[in-house]
Amino acid sequence: QKEVEQNSGPLSVPEGAIASLNCTYSDRVSQSFFWYRQYSGKSPELIMSIYSNGDKEDGRFTAQLNKASQYVSLLIRDSQPSDSATYLCAVISLGTSYDKVIFGPGTSLSVIP
Amino acid sequence: SQTIHQWPATLVQPVGSPLSLECTVEGTSNPNLYWYRQAAGRGLQLLFYSIGIDQISSEVPQNLSASRPQDRQFILSSKKLLLSDSGFYLCAWSGRTQQFFGPGTRLTVL
Repeated sequence: QKEVEQNSGPLSVPEGAIASLNCTYSDRVSQSFFWYRQYSGKSPELIMSIYSNGDKEDGRFTAQLNKASQYVSLLIRDSQPSDSATYLCAVISLGTSYDKVIFGPGTSLSVIP
Repeated sequence: SQTIHQWPATLVQPVGSPLSLECTVEGTSNPNLYWYRQAAGRGLQLLFYSIGIDQISSEVPQNLSASRPQDRQFILSSKKLLLSDSGFYLCAWSGRTQQFFGPGTRLTVL
């Protein structure tokens, strides 16, 4: 059973701090990794994708991937109250006949003003 | 650019009533399409996926069904709703490596 795990939270950080969200996955042949942000009552929106080991930065967001440790993280610098949402980690694995994405349960982030 | 539409946005239905949720995609051809359900406070549960017209696979046995009558249209149906069918239903499409979601339908079964 391929799985993606995240701490459910809630994770609370003060405004301006760095929020660190973590995700582990079980399938070693996973090749594509995504972070989605989901505001309450809304659909998930893609905010970051990463395909190779290392860091990928986009504005205040940095995704980090370590395939050897089967670990992917999302750092949010200078956290804002508008970042308060649930963050979903998602993984695509090789060997499937279609683009099957496996989602983690999500981590709830609360940025305190 | 690609756009995905879902309707209705919200729906309240009695137990035992039928259901039909529709999803359409614009700006792409032959997309992989998906139906997910998200119960309150829970993660995403994949219900159905489709790689082409009339090519649909079910991930979870249940009283729901799906159809894809056209390349960019995906329909989720039920003949008789259960209380446990309440949730947020999301349609998604995927390109080569990314998946994008529609706005969702909030279904409440009473």
